[in-house]
Amino acid sequence: RKEVEQDPGPFNVPEGATVAFNCTYSNSASQSFFWYRQDCRKEPKLLMSVYSSGNEDGRFTAQLNRASQYISLLIRDSKLSDSATYLCVGNNAGNMLTFGGGTRLMVKP
Amino acid sequence: DGGITQSPKYLFRKEGQNVTLSCEQNLNHDAMYWYRQDPGQGLRLIYYSQIVNDFQKGDIAEGYSVSREKKESFPLTVTSAQKNPTAFYLCASSIDRGSSASGEQFFGPGTRLTVL
Repeated sequence: RKEVEQDPGPFNVPEGATVAFNCTYSNSASQSFFWYRQDCRKEPKLLMSVYSSGNEDGRFTAQLNRASQYISLLIRDSKLSDSATYLCVGNNAGNMLTFGGGTRLMVKP
Repeated sequence: DGGITQSPKYLFRKEGQNVTLSCEQNLNHDAMYWYRQDPGQGLRLIYYSQIVNDFQKGDIAEGYSVSREKKESFPLTVTSAQKNPTAFYLCASSIDRGSSASGEQFFGPGTRLTVL
């Protein structure tokens, strides 16, 4: 079983829609979690950190549920420019990052 | 501009040849990392280095080698022992390994290696 698992998608949504991705993790020792964004054939870039109390940054909201070992990312009012692959990332006990396989989002006009 | 550079962007090699991928950073970061990404998969850690002249194996180090003679540079050699070397290779850096707690790793643009 992979340490961090994501639905690969693609999620095809119209502009303006709200879309949510979930991610599950198996290593209960993981200390912190993040969402990275990766555009096609480009490098990943940190989108936001994920806190148990929830973290909101504009149209993006991230949430961590430690009891159920899942992380979520909610995108409101989707824009065409949100089309990308979203990587769920955990920081394990060795302080190294573990990446999920990514969820692909396609926002259409 | 501060950042991480990788060269070349695309690389083609014949099977059985060693090839070295370049990674340079001018962010004054102590820690550097090499990842491999295959289509539809997450990044897998090959090697990392926390300080000059020291490096550690990651999850898939077999068939790869690295050096860290300078803080700014962390080249990766893909040897002929690597059975399936065709992939997208990403180099990253962070202030130190401890800063992984903040998730802040900065990535270079990557090198696409194709072995023919």
